[in-house]
Parts: sequence; structure tokens; C-alpha cells
Amino acid sequence: QSVLTQPPSASGTPGQRVTISCSGSTSNIGSKDVYWYQQLPGTAPKLLIYGNYQRPAGVPDRFSGSKSGTSASLAISGLRSEDEADYYCAAWDDSLSGRFVFGAGTKVTVL
Amino acid sequence: VHLVQSGAELKKPGASVKVSCKTSGYIFTRNALHWVRQAPGQSLEWMGYINAANGNTKYSQRFQGRLTITMDTPANTAYMELSSLTSEDAAVYYCARDWSTGDWGQGTQVTVSS
Repeated sequence: QSVLTQPPSASGTPGQRVTISCSGSTSNIGSKDVYWYQQLPGTAPKLLIYGNYQRPAGVPDRFSGSKSGTSASLAISGLRSEDEADYYCAAWDDSLSGRFVFGAGTKVTVL
Repeated sequence: VHLVQSGAELKKPGASVKVSCKTSGYIFTRNALHWVRQAPGQSLEWMGYINAANGNTKYSQRFQGRLTITMDTPANTAYMELSSLTSEDAAVYYCARDWSTGDWGQGTQVTVSS
């Protein structure tokens, strides 16, 4: 069971806005930066968000991250067919002598 | 920046596997290199990292005792060795440079089968 809790699935039609939540605790999200990754089948994860809300160069501004307390969210606006993928949140966690933890992932389907 | 990993491995239960991650395009000693694995249909699992500036390592407690991460600075390469393999270690193994860079290797498939 993942330390960071994500919904297993989310969906939307092209053009819609989809939001993915990531719930943690004071030992991770509550005190550490959150990262978001997109993973297409058979490929390495791609960084979408780091430092809670910052986008790497080349990531469209349709992707946005936010954090409040011990929860974080990734929003995808103007949903496109190529956004259909698995999305993972991640953060450092102070428990067990310190570790980096990933959520279980959310499968986004474009209807 | 490129992180290029070694090829797929087929190992017997109880054996060890060593995966390499050859980097280029940046100063090797300026970043840590992490190792992450992903079992079929599962999420990502962090294994540990090596600080390329000084060789210090930190491992997930889950792998303590059977994971060794090393590096060869002149070769700009990091290595991940996992021992006492079982079928549960079958996964794609990735190396990744400091999380905020977004740089990952292409992944190495490790199969464990007798």
C-alpha cells in the first residue's frame, strides 16, 4: 500500500479539465516538495511538475500542480488524447530513515 | 543529457544482477543518481541513490543488505547491484538523475526465472 494515496482512475473528454489528487501526511507532502510524473506504456516516467508547482522546460502550461497541507493536486486543462497515461505523485518521506515514495498511480482516460 | 542503461538481464533465483547507467552531457559529480524499479503493472518503487560528489549512498530499508550502488567517476557511470534475486525482483529498473532534472535512463528489464 502506497504512502501517497491517489485515485486509481480519472477520465474526461477532450478539452475538459481533469484533476488528480495525492494525499499524504506531515512526514511527506506536509513538509516536502511534491513531484508529478506522466508515464506512457513502455516508457520511462516523464517529469511534469517539481517543487510542488514548477514545470520543467517543454512541459505545456496545461499541466499545473498545487499543494495544500498534506495533499497535492495535478490539474490537466484542455485535455488531449495524448494525455492518456498513468500519472504518479512522489515526495521524500521522513519515515523509515528517509525514503522517496511514489503514489500508486492514476490512469487517465480520454473519452 | 543522456542516461543510457545496460541491456536486459535474465537471472536465476538466488543470483545477483548488476545494471549500469552511463551518463553524459553534464558534470557527473554534480548530481545524485537514484535507482527506481517498476514491477509489471505496478507503481514505481525507489531503491536508493548515490551522491556522485562523494560516493555516499542511501538505500531504502526494503533493500538493505542486498542492494549495492556504486559509481565509476572517470567513466561517468553508476551501477546498481541487487543480490539474492527472487521472482518478486522481476521488474524494469531505472536510473534517474536528481529528481528536479527529470532525466531518466531508458530502463533495464530484469527477468528472474529458473
